[in-house]
Formats: sequence, C-alpha cells, structure tokens
Amino acid sequence: DTGVSQDPRHKITKRGQNVTFRCDPISEHNRLYWYRQTLGQGPEFLTYFQNEAQLEKSRLLSDRFSAERPKGSFSTLEIQRTEQGDSAMYLCASSIWGLQETQYFGPGTRLLVL
Amino acid sequence: KQEVTQIPAALSVPEGENLVLNCSFTDSAIYNLQWFRQDPGKGLTSLLLIQSSQREQTSGRLNASLDKSSGRSTLYIAASQPGDSATYLCAPRNSGNTPLVFGKGTRLSVIA
Repeated sequence: DTGVSQDPRHKITKRGQNVTFRCDPISEHNRLYWYRQTLGQGPEFLTYFQNEAQLEKSRLLSDRFSAERPKGSFSTLEIQRTEQGDSAMYLCASSIWGLQETQYFGPGTRLLVL
Repeated sequence: KQEVTQIPAALSVPEGENLVLNCSFTDSAIYNLQWFRQDPGKGLTSLLLIQSSQREQTSGRLNASLDKSSGRSTLYIAASQPGDSATYLCAPRNSGNTPLVFGKGTRLSVIA
C-alpha cells in the first residue's frame, strides 16, 4: 500500500480552460476528501465522499467545480473555465470512517492558471 | 464557525532545543484534533491525532496535549533537529461528519 496518490502533480493552464485532477485513496478507505491550499494558508475543505456518495460540499465549491467518485475508489475533481484565482494546491485525503479517523493526505496537485 | 489560530506564525531555534507550538480554536466542542507537518510544496503528513476524551498523545519526540475547555492544543517537540524544519498545522474537527478546519500553521526552522 503506497498511500494516497494524486495526478498530475503539476498543471499549468490558460484562463478559461478546463482541468481535471485525479486522486487514488489508500485502498479500503471509504472516505475521500478534497481540500484547496493557497500560499501561506492552511488547507480549506472543498468536498468529501463516503464511498460513492458526496456528503458535503463547501461554499468554496462554485458551480465551476465538480467532483465525482463513481465506484467508491478513485475520485476526480474538475474545474471548468478556470480563473486565475483557482491557482492553488489541491490536496486529497482519505480515511476509514470510525472513531480514530486519521486523514492521510496525498502529495497534492499544484495548479497555475495563467 | 470554527476558527483556528496558531502562534507563533514562524519560529527559528538552534538544534537541540525543546519547543512548543500553540493552537487555539474558538469552538471547544470538538470531536478530535490532528497535528500535521508539511514540507515546502508537499502534502501533509499526519503526526498525531488526539481524541476529545484524551488529554495528551505521544509519538517519539512529539507530544500533543489538548485542553478542550479552554480551546487549546499544544505540540511539544523535544530535542529539535534540522529535519524537523517544516510547517506544522493543527486541525480540530467538530464531529465525525464534519471536515478538518486548519490554522495557517507555524513555520519552524531548526538551525544546525
């Protein structure tokens, strides 16, 4: 088991383009979280899934953002019509729901919108 | 709405010193609290998770304490080493169905 993986690690795009990020959680982890982190700030919650169900979405997740976890394993986060303000590190975390729900983070995808 | 403050924002210490990082949160009705470290440009590494019923948790040279009633947690690092240089983030959680809420972190530099 190699931990949470994210792809790509870096993405440079032009304003107005669509981008999609992928997260592969630790196997058998039924919860998967997406966070966004800008420079000098802590991560901010975007959304999370339990199995394939999306249980909560932050107000940060505008209608240009969509996340899926179709089979309860990997997840994708898509940003449509990217804006310069979307430039950030996008972090994925997974956990097993329960009392000791430690969240394990992936290495992140750094997005730069030009 | 939970708000988290970490003090100091940055800290530079000589190798070998013991140090304390502080975390305060506004809503004391937490479920648990996690401490993470983040190296520049990298993801987060979980250090310790402390349950609301616990007063402290230890892992190696790290000790995290929790005072729920006053809305505070501290991370104690013993005998600091240059490899401890990183940003340390705390993140309380208000229930099993709510996300982590992060502070801005404390950026630690340990000088050899």
